Amino acid sequence: DIVMTQGALPNPVPSGESASITCQSSKSLLHSNGKTYLNWYLQRPGQSPQLLIYWMSTRASGVSDRFSGSGSGTDFTLKISSVEAEDVGVYYCQQFLEYPYTFGAGTKLELK
Amino acid sequence: EVQLVETGGSLVQPGKSLKLTCATSGFTFSNAWMHWVRQSPEKQLEWVAQIKAKSNNYATYYAESVKGRFTISRDDSKSSVYLQMNSLKEEDTAIYYCTPIGFAYWGQGTLVTVSS
Repeated sequence: DIVMTQGALPNPVPSGESASITCQSSKSLLHSNGKTYLNWYLQRPGQSPQLLIYWMSTRASGVSDRFSGSGSGTDFTLKISSVEAEDVGVYYCQQFLEYPYTFGAGTKLELK
Repeated sequence: EVQLVETGGSLVQPGKSLKLTCATSGFTFSNAWMHWVRQSPEKQLEWVAQIKAKSNNYATYYAESVKGRFTISRDDSKSSVYLQMNSLKEEDTAIYYCTPIGFAYWGQGTLVTVSS
């Protein structure tokens, strides 16, 4: 199975500052079709996960442009510019290149 | 508007069975590949199973942890996907979500608790 490893945030993050969350996969998620099979989610307290980014860098519909995804085949970053109260929650990365699809353990963002 | 409503979760004893239902609306269900994903009490997300569309012969895929015990199925006439869970174990305790391919839409989930 592909193992997804997420980094921690230096919580709490001051409001208005930027925050970067890292995720590393044990195998390259770059497909021969040129797409990278990585998703990012935010799960706010008491809510279901919400898709933020797919194909490593494409924002999902309705997602603020303060969120951006980047990376290579195995190392990925979700950047949140100017953190706001509504960004508080747990962020997960997920690979969907091969079965079983696997998630990282989550990275918690707290606001100062 | 896309809606997914999971039902069927409850408290059940180890070794027993349970069937979850996910009723959907707002998209062309018959063409959609559907997933079940669960979240443990420790908040770890785990992909459980997938079923493809009729055009893909309803192919199914499972996580190793549930293979042989869980069965995913669908009824396109009802726009619903199901998860039959047999021989339940305490480690199956989780909130179970259904989500269509792309993972862009999630229901509120249904809680399954396996405990004696």
